[in-house]
Amino acid sequence: QQQVKQSPQSLIVQKGGISIINCAYENTAFDYFPWYQQFPGKGPALLIAIRPDVSEKKEGRFTISFNKSAKQFSLHIMDSQPGDSATYFCAASISGATSGSRLTFGEGTQLTVNP
Amino acid sequence: NAGVTQTPKFQVLKTGQSMTLQCAQDMNHEYMSWYRQDPGMGLRLIHYSVGAGITDQGEVPNGYNVSRSTTEDFPLRLLSAAPSQTSVYFCASSYWGGAFFGQGTRLTVV
Repeated sequence: QQQVKQSPQSLIVQKGGISIINCAYENTAFDYFPWYQQFPGKGPALLIAIRPDVSEKKEGRFTISFNKSAKQFSLHIMDSQPGDSATYFCAASISGATSGSRLTFGEGTQLTVNP
Repeated sequence: NAGVTQTPKFQVLKTGQSMTLQCAQDMNHEYMSWYRQDPGMGLRLIHYSVGAGITDQGEVPNGYNVSRSTTEDFPLRLLSAAPSQTSVYFCASSYWGGAFFGQGTRLTVV
């Protein structure tokens, strides 16, 4: 049972464009939604995270949009750069004191930013 | 400050062999987890621990054992390796603000 569904599986964007990756979740008890970035041969690294009390969070070129009623959230990468080429994972967990300890991941999106 | 350290980085096992994947963290986090990563499936939780002496099963625990005798270490044991356990394994250490992952162990079972 895939509780977090991610799309698209792969994405090709031109330099300077906007990359958008979408996720949908099923478990309404989830209340912590991080995005991870993974380069080949490396572990996932926390990029940005949101809790459902806000609808948007922005950090530099990265923005999470959150729609609680639709049970969906998305990552927007503005002014995409070749260095952003990586695999991106959305995730969800029930936080309390344990945010990140029991993450449910989406399937991943391989982003390629062409120069 | 090394963060989360996993050893070995690569391992080839024969079917039926056992081995232990090591994980150590130096951030004094109470929570540690093991995930496996397979193509097209994201990362799936194997086992996790909320403190020394306390462990619990995740989504895909069969064939794996864990123990947590110290805050720093959280080893993952494969009891009798099977080809289905060929995967990349990640250990994570976490607090309320998120999880930090190690570099991974790429395991091949032949």
